[in-house]
Amino acid sequence: GENVEQHPSTLSVQEGDSAVIKCTYSDSASNYFPWYKQELGKRPQLIIDIRSNVGEKKDQRIAVTLNKTAKHFSLHITETQPEDSAVYFCAAALYGGATNKLIFGTGTLLAVQP
Amino acid sequence: DGGITQSPKYLFRKEGQNVTLSCEQNLNHDAMYWYRQDPGQGLRLIYYSQIVNDFQKGDIAEGYSVSREKKESFPLTVTSAQKNPTAFYLCASSYRYPDSEAFFGQGTRLTVV
Repeated sequence: GENVEQHPSTLSVQEGDSAVIKCTYSDSASNYFPWYKQELGKRPQLIIDIRSNVGEKKDQRIAVTLNKTAKHFSLHITETQPEDSAVYFCAAALYGGATNKLIFGTGTLLAVQP
Repeated sequence: DGGITQSPKYLFRKEGQNVTLSCEQNLNHDAMYWYRQDPGQGLRLIYYSQIVNDFQKGDIAEGYSVSREKKESFPLTVTSAQKNPTAFYLCASSYRYPDSEAFFGQGTRLTVV
């Protein structure tokens, strides 16, 4: 069925290290892949997104890569800081005839240890 | 102050009662939608609306109902038919669904007592 798998579910890194979160999707027609950050007690907010016509996008310490052939995309955070601690969700836009959806992964709890 | 507003923040309901969660936006977005967030399950789609007077079921629509009579508003009713309604509910809007940035409300935590 339609789904987005996200790994790992929890990730602990030391401040200054890099963090990588990976997602796979099932619908080959998907063309939009956003990443959301949800800090404790707050609403999810978009941090970066990528469309299928590019393979990589970077915004300061955050980058996303997309492999359409393998149907997976990843979030890379370099030089992590304590304020990066949050739950991160990947998502994929799925298109199925009369039904279009934005499907989210199950989330990754990132803890950056000072 | 532009944005998307959900109310109330906390809501308690007795079993067997219907309850309506409010969602209002002043971003002039055509699309509005509801997700349910449970620990370890991410965000699951309940209903979405791409334009006024039109809405579609998501993956977990059973026991829920919506209306989209105004562009600014997309209320969600949790009916007594929903077997496990205790959850955190998030409303969002966007210029287009599903492939543009979603702006989320602050959420409503519903507890059935």
